[in-house]
Amino acid sequence: EAGVAQSPRYKIIEKRQSVAFWCNPISGHATLYWYQQILGQGPKLLIQFQNNGVVDDSQLPKDRFSAERLKGVDSTLKIQPAKLEDSAVYLCASSLASGSGPQHFGDGTRLSIL
Amino acid sequence: GDSVTQMEGPVTLSEEAFLTINCTYTATGYPSLFWYVQYPGEGLQLLLKATKADDKGSNKGFEATYRKETTSFHLEKGSVQVSDSAVYFCALMRQDSSYKLIFGSGTRLLVRP
Repeated sequence: EAGVAQSPRYKIIEKRQSVAFWCNPISGHATLYWYQQILGQGPKLLIQFQNNGVVDDSQLPKDRFSAERLKGVDSTLKIQPAKLEDSAVYLCASSLASGSGPQHFGDGTRLSIL
Repeated sequence: GDSVTQMEGPVTLSEEAFLTINCTYTATGYPSLFWYVQYPGEGLQLLLKATKADDKGSNKGFEATYRKETTSFHLEKGSVQVSDSAVYFCALMRQDSSYKLIFGSGTRLLVRP
């Protein structure tokens, strides 16, 4: 089966600019996750969707980050405006349903803020 | 809150050496426990898991046993290969409505020929 697809793989922007990441989960997976992985740390959950509804966004900095999954399939994560501390790898993962089966991860988008 | 603590790396071993990467956790209730592996430039891959106390997860020669009494889930392999060089993450999944994964900070393993 095709894995979780993410784009772009790399992005370099200046602080205060905006950026968007795209994720297409494995077909049939109802649950989609966005994680932030800062260099030298483990991934931290930003937001979790079940179909097109938000399950958990408690660690999403809502003043600058937004995410949507309008049709319950692919998803976009946006940062506006970006800060230096947003430099990280942004990982998307999907699973059949919350707590059901393992989470499958994409290769991530590496974001560098200048 | 819930958390996972891993031994700091890097761990450097010679090929065919024995590997142990320590992982301990703090959690309310009875979480499921996981080891994920991340190769350079790639996302995380599930290596093994255990869902209840005394369960042993195993895959590709790696093993880990869920020890509730010591709140540990140490990763072991009897004979490492150069291809095992990667970053290893221990994680717990809360068994509440969110089924949220909480990761440790990762341990880099470097295996020399």
